[in-house]
Amino acid sequence: QKEVEQNSGPLSVPEGAIASLNCTYSDRGSQSFFWYRQYSGKSPELIMSIYSNGDKEDGRFTAQLNKASQYVSLLIRDSQPSDSATYLCAVNKPGGFKTIFGAGTRLFVKA
Amino acid sequence: SAVISQKPSRDICQRGTSLTIQCQVDSQVTMMFWYRQQPGQSLTLIATANQGSEATYESGFVIDKFPISRPNLTFSTLTVSNMSPEDSSIYLCSVSPGGSNTGELFFGEGSRLTVL
Repeated sequence: QKEVEQNSGPLSVPEGAIASLNCTYSDRGSQSFFWYRQYSGKSPELIMSIYSNGDKEDGRFTAQLNKASQYVSLLIRDSQPSDSATYLCAVNKPGGFKTIFGAGTRLFVKA
Repeated sequence: SAVISQKPSRDICQRGTSLTIQCQVDSQVTMMFWYRQQPGQSLTLIATANQGSEATYESGFVIDKFPISRPNLTFSTLTVSNMSPEDSSIYLCSVSPGGSNTGELFFGEGSRLTVL
C-alpha cells in the first residue's frame, strides 16, 4: 500500500466547473496535509495546507480533511484553463521530519 | 517564504561520471531536503540534510551513491555518483523555512540530469 494515494487522472473538466481531487493516506498518525500544484516543466508550489478536520477555503480553493477516513480532497471552483496542472497531495509523517508526496493527479480544464 | 537557487539547471552526463548539484537559499534554514522526480513520476525523498550532522537517507538511497554536504545554514550539495541512465531525473532541493519541517516546502527550480 502506498503511503499517499491519488488517482493519476487525467481529470478533465470544462471551464467554470468544479474540479474535485482526492487523496488517501495510510499513516493514521499523520497530522499535516498539503496540496501542491506543479505546472509542466516547473517545480511544485504549495497552494493549500490543512491540519484539522473539516474545510479550509482560500479563494477558489477548498481543502477538506477527514482524519477518521484518512482522506484529503481539494476542490477548485470556477476552474480556469490556467488551473491545468498536476496536483500533488502531500502528508507529513508523524514526527514531522519528512513529507511524502502522492503520485499526483493531472487536471485539464477545457476552455 | 524562501528563494532557492539550484545549479546546474540541466546537464547531460556520461555513464560512470559524477555530478554535483548546488542549492543556495536566501535565508538560514535548519532542514534541507533533496527529492528526485523521475519522468512522469512524483517526488521521492532522497535525504534530509541538517547543518552540522550527517544527512539522513531514505530507504533505497545510500551515501556512497548520493553524498550530501551541508556546510552552513544556507547551502547544500547533492552528488550523484557513478551515474547510469537510471539516474536520469529531476533533482529538487527544498526547504521548510523555520526551525522544523512544517511540511510547507519551497522548492528550487530543479536540476534535470540526462545520463547517456
